[in-house]
Amino acid sequence: KQEVTQIPAALSVPEGENLVLNCSFTDSAIYNLQWFRQDPGKGLTSLLLIQSSQREQTSGRLNASLDKSSGRSTLYIAASQPGDSATYLCAVMKKSSGDKLTFGTGTRLAVRP
Amino acid sequence: SAVISQKPSRDICQRGTSLTIQCQVDSQVTMMFWYRQQPGQSLTLIATANQGSEATYESGFVIDKFPISRPNLTFSTLTVSNLSPEDSSIYLCSVAQEPHTEAFFGQGTRLTVV
Repeated sequence: KQEVTQIPAALSVPEGENLVLNCSFTDSAIYNLQWFRQDPGKGLTSLLLIQSSQREQTSGRLNASLDKSSGRSTLYIAASQPGDSATYLCAVMKKSSGDKLTFGTGTRLAVRP
Repeated sequence: SAVISQKPSRDICQRGTSLTIQCQVDSQVTMMFWYRQQPGQSLTLIATANQGSEATYESGFVIDKFPISRPNLTFSTLTVSNLSPEDSSIYLCSVAQEPHTEAFFGQGTRLTVV
């Protein structure tokens, strides 16, 4: 059974700091890994998608890496801003799952002005 | 990317009633899913909505409680039946245009059962 864990569960940083969110998964037979952002009580916004053959993806101040063999992904946020405050979720799409996503537990980020 | 309109965005329902949630996509998509997010928790898949046939439910979810329709490639509904306070959650529609590609989510429906 695929399990996805995110560390830390919560993080509070001052504005301008660079930070790293971690995601680990137990089954490396995946099609892709996706990072999402969720604001309180809202839906999910897709941030980055990394295919299993890729090592990293970048979008603006965000950079996500994938090490499939070790079952790890990191989301790097540069020069954090208060508007980055949200919950960040990683999700993997298992090859045996028919395109279903298995979600991590989430990291709740607060960026202090 | 796909633009998803999910309605209603929130509702407060009486115990024993039902709520139907709609998911409309601006383009044809191959894959459609319904997820539940209970308070303080991550997302759990309820079912895969199959066009023109019965949905495929995950363990712990049954059709009588969560009937799903998907009449075409752009629209699906999820009904949560015989509501109890334990059904208070955020329900989310998710789509992917092709298999093994990026998933997009609706804005979610926040359901409170009183």
